[in-house]
Amino acid sequence: QKEVEQNSGPLSVPEGAIASLNCTYSDRGSQSFFWYRQYSGKSPELIMSIYSNGDKEDGRFTAQLNKASQYVSLLIRDSQPSDSATYLCAVKTGNQFYFGTGTSLTVIP
Amino acid sequence: DGGITQSPKYLFRKEGQNVTLSCEQNLNHDAMYWYRQDPGQGLRLIYYSQIVNDFQKGDIAEGYSVSREKKESFPLTVTSAQKNPTAFYLCASRKQGRDNEQFFGPGTRLTVL
Repeated sequence: QKEVEQNSGPLSVPEGAIASLNCTYSDRGSQSFFWYRQYSGKSPELIMSIYSNGDKEDGRFTAQLNKASQYVSLLIRDSQPSDSATYLCAVKTGNQFYFGTGTSLTVIP
Repeated sequence: DGGITQSPKYLFRKEGQNVTLSCEQNLNHDAMYWYRQDPGQGLRLIYYSQIVNDFQKGDIAEGYSVSREKKESFPLTVTSAQKNPTAFYLCASRKQGRDNEQFFGPGTRLTVL
């Protein structure tokens, strides 16, 4: 059974702070890694993808991948109240995607 | 306007009835997927299809059926054999290729009365 683990939270940060979200995965053969944001009652929205070790930045978001440690993280800089949502980590292995249960983030104004 | 559409948005079913959820995409994506999401749980894969007229079972295929007669369409039927069908159903699609990303439709919320 391929597993993707996330801290369910809730994670609360003040507006303007850095939010750090973490994810570990069990299958060393996993190839691609994704972060989705899901607002309550809505479908997941892709915000970041990362495929090789290191950091990838896109605006206020930075994804970090460490394949040796089987660890993926997402940093959100200058957090805004509109960032309050559940963040899903997804891992692609073969032709399938495996999802964590999500981390609930609340940004406090 | 490209995207993935799912219909209906909300669906109510009586026990013992089969229902079909629609998923259509005009993104020219090759692969399509069906997931279900329950409160407090991650997305679980029901079925996926990489090409027309071919599909594979995911982790929780029992009580569900699919077809892929056209590249654009991947309908999901929830049969009466599915013991606990109340859930949020999400359709997704992606272009084939190792690093290509998966995108989701808006979802269908199914409630069994």
